[in-house]
Amino acid sequence: AQTVTQSQPEMSVQEAETVTLSCTYDTSESDYYLFWYKQPPSRQMILVIRQEAYKQQNATENRFSVNFQKAAKSFSLKISDSQLGDAAMYFCAYRRHFIIQGAQKLVFGQGTRLTINP
Amino acid sequence: DTGVSQDPRHKITKRGQNVTFRCDPISEHNRLYWYRQTLGQGPEFLTYFQNEAQLEKSRLLSDRFSAERPKGSFSTLEIQRTEQGDSAMYLCASSPMRESSGNTIYFGEGSWLTVV
Repeated sequence: AQTVTQSQPEMSVQEAETVTLSCTYDTSESDYYLFWYKQPPSRQMILVIRQEAYKQQNATENRFSVNFQKAAKSFSLKISDSQLGDAAMYFCAYRRHFIIQGAQKLVFGQGTRLTINP
Repeated sequence: DTGVSQDPRHKITKRGQNVTFRCDPISEHNRLYWYRQTLGQGPEFLTYFQNEAQLEKSRLLSDRFSAERPKGSFSTLEIQRTEQGDSAMYLCASSPMRESSGNTIYFGEGSWLTVV
């Protein structure tokens, strides 16, 4: 079974600075998807960024970028120019390739609570 | 696009009572998911529908839990004979079938259940 581990229960950063959230995962498969989701205090989970395992290039979405190290099974999220609105729980998630049985579910890590200090 | 809608948002019930949650997915999304999230933890997968067919169920889904999606649109999650351990937030999510969506799953705001 696949597992996702986020070893940082809490992180804090000064507004406008850069922060990196860590995520490691365990799988025996070679084709899969990785995601970072944000869950603000209102509790709705929002997709931040997505990475396909077959792509070597790291995904970027504006101030958000990932460092995907497939051999090390590591998938960290970097937030540049942190803003007060970035404060939330961040979850790393894994999903098997869509053609595989049971591919539809996301496997989540425990989450990292990010605080932005003004 | 109105997003995934869940009702009720909060429910307090006595142990042993039955509760039902409703989820309205984003229109035209064929896939619908239920997850459970307890405080301080990430969501855990419960079950998945493709149209009206329930294709996958987690072992977390005991016999007291039942989910339906009768017409392939909205879904209900019923918990019978609730126990205190059922207290959690129940998240519904949906996604389109087409691959071009990039497999993005959209979540609702969740339904909080407190069993007293």
